[in-house]
Amino acid sequence: GQNIDQPTEMTATEGAIVQINCTYQTSGFNGLFWYQQHAGEAPTFLSYNVLDGLEEKGRFSSFLSRSKGYSYLLLKELQMKDSASYLCAVRDADYKLSFGAGTTVTVRA
Amino acid sequence: IAGITQAPTSQILAAGRRMTLRCTQDMRHNAMYWYRQDLGLGLRLIHYSNTAGTTGKGEVPDGYSVSRANTDDFPLTLASAVPSQTSVYFCASSGTAGTGTDTQYFGPGTRLTVL
Repeated sequence: GQNIDQPTEMTATEGAIVQINCTYQTSGFNGLFWYQQHAGEAPTFLSYNVLDGLEEKGRFSSFLSRSKGYSYLLLKELQMKDSASYLCAVRDADYKLSFGAGTTVTVRA
Repeated sequence: IAGITQAPTSQILAAGRRMTLRCTQDMRHNAMYWYRQDLGLGLRLIHYSNTAGTTGKGEVPDGYSVSRANTDDFPLTLASAVPSQTSVYFCASSGTAGTGTDTQYFGPGTRLTVL
């Protein structure tokens, strides 16, 4: 099974940088995903890491260390629209996703 | 392009009633999934289907059943609803399960309340 931990809440100021950490313990690892979910909406795909290192996509970057069971999502130049929950999900050996409980990010003006 | 649609958007149901949540995708994805999302618990997999004609159990399958008669549709049935099944239900689909980039895409969700 999977055990995925991420902080419950984070608050940051518009224009700032926020880093959301995710640690996991897994019986089989086949990639890590980050999703964004605005209140009352569906999760939307942000990023995917399967190899160690940093993946950058505009203002969002995601990092993975498989040996440490650790990932982070970095949000730069925060905007008010970035206020949402961010879900860390680990794909296991059977290609099924297990999700963390999510981190609610609040961006303040 | 609709992507994934779910119906109904929301429903209030009496305990003991039967209910089917509908999910349809037009992306020709092979794999489909049903999750429930509860506060503080995150998304949990109920059932999945890697391809039409096959289904499998996820983390929390009890009280739910699914069928996959064709590629596009993946209905979830609650045979006799109980209050603990009050949740938001998300359907998702992805390309062929077992490939390296089978990212899951989610429908808009169904908010179900069982009284």
